[in-house]
Amino acid sequence: GQQVMQIPQYQHVQEGEDFTTYCNSSTTLSNIQWYKQRPGGHPVFLIQLVKSGEVKKQKRLTFQFGEAKKNSSLHITATQTTDVGTYFCAGPEGSQGNLIFGKGTKLSVKP
Amino acid sequence: GAGVSQSPRYKVAKRGQDVALRCDPISGHVSLFWYQQALGQGPEFLTYFQNEAQLDKSGLPSDRFFAERPEGSVSTLKIQRTQQEDSAVYLCASSLVYEQYFGPGTRLTVT
Repeated sequence: GQQVMQIPQYQHVQEGEDFTTYCNSSTTLSNIQWYKQRPGGHPVFLIQLVKSGEVKKQKRLTFQFGEAKKNSSLHITATQTTDVGTYFCAGPEGSQGNLIFGKGTKLSVKP
Repeated sequence: GAGVSQSPRYKVAKRGQDVALRCDPISGHVSLFWYQQALGQGPEFLTYFQNEAQLDKSGLPSDRFFAERPEGSVSTLKIQRTQQEDSAVYLCASSLVYEQYFGPGTRLTVT
């Protein structure tokens, strides 16, 4: 079945360092979504990418969707302690909108 | 307006007991999803409703799991004869277009 894989599983950075997480799908995706889950919290939608090669920015966060629409990345510039959490990518399964989530990348930031 | 709410937030059940988990989606959201999240993992799809119709229940792990949304609003996920492997956080999400809004989840512990 369809799989979404993320690396790395964990990332520990010093505050101010950059961070990148990578997402790969076993199948071509119509779109990819990114969510953030703070410790003890629930997933919160960050962004959706739809077009091949699309790049979107949200302040210090840069999201990319690969040309083949099978991979994606999230890059955070100059991490802050507020960036702590687990970042998930998710791709739709079928046409009904239910999402297949990766296992996430857990980011910790040392002040 | 209010976000997605879930109750109870925590549930401890003895093995073999039945449990019912409730989800109140955002008013007007047509789509409703249930996910199961094990510790350190991404959410895993269980079932999907569009209004009152259950369009996909392929993720339900066994016939002990049952979900309903009789009036197209509140949804209930029922687990019969709970087993230890059912211990997890159960997340409900609602959606109007593609962005999914998650509730805080119900943490189920089966002892």
